[in-house]
Amino acid sequence: EAQVTQNPRYLITVTGKKLTVTCSQNMNHEYMSWYRQDPGLGLRQIYYSMNVEVTDKGDVPEGYKVSRKEKRNFPLILESPSPNQTSLYFCASSLSRMLNEQFFGPGTRLTVL
Amino acid sequence: AQSVTQLGSHVSVSEGALVLLRCNYSSSVPPYLFWYVQYPNQGLQLLLKYTTGATLVKGINGFEAEFKKSETSFHLTKPSAHMSDAAEYFCAVSRSSNTGKLIFGQGTTLQVKP
Repeated sequence: EAQVTQNPRYLITVTGKKLTVTCSQNMNHEYMSWYRQDPGLGLRQIYYSMNVEVTDKGDVPEGYKVSRKEKRNFPLILESPSPNQTSLYFCASSLSRMLNEQFFGPGTRLTVL
Repeated sequence: AQSVTQLGSHVSVSEGALVLLRCNYSSSVPPYLFWYVQYPNQGLQLLLKYTTGATLVKGINGFEAEFKKSETSFHLTKPSAHMSDAAEYFCAVSRSSNTGKLIFGQGTTLQVKP
């Protein structure tokens, strides 16, 4: 089954404790992206990657890091989480940036205390 | 800069009634337009999209949307609401030449009353 998977689905952590949210897709997609969803703000892009070893900042990159060492994986790293990073995070992928039809993962709900 | 405005954060309709969710966008170049639906505790699912060609676009679950360039609108409609349509709906815009980023509206929660 073609899908985007994220782990964990739910995470409660404390300020400053490094964490990684994994994202994997099995569709051989070139383009991958991370969004955060906050009430009243819709989804905002954090980082994106056009291919292996090619990543760039989205609209709200502060406090986040990403890497793209393999085509299928695009982890989101929070080196020192803060409470304002409490949010619902979505990973998405598409065949290429030009097609723009993005497939979304199920989401990761993160709470930073 | 591109932006998307969804009019009404909450819309309530009776089962069987017309569903109309409004979306207006701003873009200096022809946009790609999307509607996504998010059911509780799930990710976003593509309902329909407009890229080029016919301005009336049909999607899944009986939804359709019409691209009106003169009004910069892409409203989502469904003739008869079903209880299973209750969800949050997001309108999004993208440009073909940009970084692939989708710019989302704030979302509209659709409530369907029996």
